[in-house]
Amino acid sequence: GEDVEQSLFLSVREGDSSVINCTYTDSSSTYLYWYKQEPGAGLQLLTYIFSNMDMKQDQRLTVLLNKKDKHLSLRIADTQTGDSAIYFCAEERTGFQKLVFGTGTRLLVSP
Amino acid sequence: EPEVTQTPSHQVTQMGQEVILRCVPISNHLYFYWYRQILGQKVEFLVSFYNNEISEKSEIFDDQFSVERPDGSNFTLKIRSTKLEDSAMYFCASSDAQVLGLFFGSGTQLSVL
Repeated sequence: GEDVEQSLFLSVREGDSSVINCTYTDSSSTYLYWYKQEPGAGLQLLTYIFSNMDMKQDQRLTVLLNKKDKHLSLRIADTQTGDSAIYFCAEERTGFQKLVFGTGTRLLVSP
Repeated sequence: EPEVTQTPSHQVTQMGQEVILRCVPISNHLYFYWYRQILGQKVEFLVSFYNNEISEKSEIFDDQFSVERPDGSNFTLKIRSTKLEDSAMYFCASSDAQVLGLFFGSGTQLSVL
């Protein structure tokens, strides 16, 4: 199957950490990605993780991958109002030149 | 910073009409893609293009759809006879090494009436 699932909505206060979760079904995925979509804009690549890694940190972003459970998460430390957007996880499967996207999680950061 | 540009940002058309969505990928990129997002639904892959030919396409990309790289800079998506269900945001993307580091444009909102 190709289902990549995310919770639809997350609300946090400025300064808190945000954790956005994603589950995927294809164990042959090679790379997993996080994209950000702001209103009226395209999809911006935030970060990615190779399937043989279990963690990747990039400034305020931490990606955790549990390959056994097919679970991916994105943690945003010290969340700012400018982080308010829709966040998509996506998987790339071996041999396919395409990404399969999740449903997207709308993050709302309140002051 | 280089970016993928798409025109127009909004396109309204009548059912049955042909539309061409235009994209200018990042200049040194070799792989090109179209994705679409129907309102409230997931971003879906349509087609990938490399070396002047389609390398992969989805079930959505039927005979009504075609892609072309008419010159060294543009990449177009043509829908021959639009249907109501073609209404969506269409995203163009490019990369220089398969899907890793895929750069998306800001999209064309297509409305079929």
